[in-house]
Amino acid sequence: GNSVTQMEGPVTLSEEAFLTINCTYTATGYPSLFWYVQYPGEGLQLLLKATKADDKGSNKGFEATYRKETTSFHLEKGSVQVSDSAVYFCAPQAYSGAGSYQLTFGKGTKLSVIP
Amino acid sequence: NAGVTQTPKFQVLKTGQSMTLQCAQDMNHEYMSWYRQDPGMGLRLIHYSVGAGITDQGEVPNGYNVSRSTTEDFPLRLLSAAPSQTSVYFCASRTSTGAEAFFGQGTRLTVV
Repeated sequence: GNSVTQMEGPVTLSEEAFLTINCTYTATGYPSLFWYVQYPGEGLQLLLKATKADDKGSNKGFEATYRKETTSFHLEKGSVQVSDSAVYFCAPQAYSGAGSYQLTFGKGTKLSVIP
Repeated sequence: NAGVTQTPKFQVLKTGQSMTLQCAQDMNHEYMSWYRQDPGMGLRLIHYSVGAGITDQGEVPNGYNVSRSTTEDFPLRLLSAAPSQTSVYFCASRTSTGAEAFFGQGTRLTVV
């Protein structure tokens, strides 16, 4: 089955620091790759995505590149803000047959940014 | 656009009670799913549906039932609540072609 290994947290950074959250995956076929973010007390929402090798997804200053050769999709941001404090989930989405695509979530990485 | 709406937001049950968590979406999405979120476990798939009248089990289906009589609604039933079902439950919907999933705000369930 599909699986995700995501950097464990919690991660605490000072404002304007550089952020990397590592994510590697195993999945059948050629998955689409997603990062979802969960702000305190809310549901998950899409942060960025990439659908083919070497694609770079980006949003709100965050970036991640689809690396097929290393099966990785690491999340980066050059300068974090207090408002980036949240839990981040890496999630490959692979075809599972009968017209169905399944999302598999990592365990999540909690990021706290302090002023 | 309401998106995905879950009710209730909070619920406390006694062991052995049954209840239904409601989920509705207004985006005409074919695919709907239920997840539970537990500390250190990420999100785990309980049940999913690829369209009205079609449901299937996910990773952790025991103790839960679902049905999909309309495209819009996908309720999750707890048959006989147990403390191990204390969790935060999320409903999600998307098109069937593997695009972005939209999540509800979650239901925090406590079983005592």
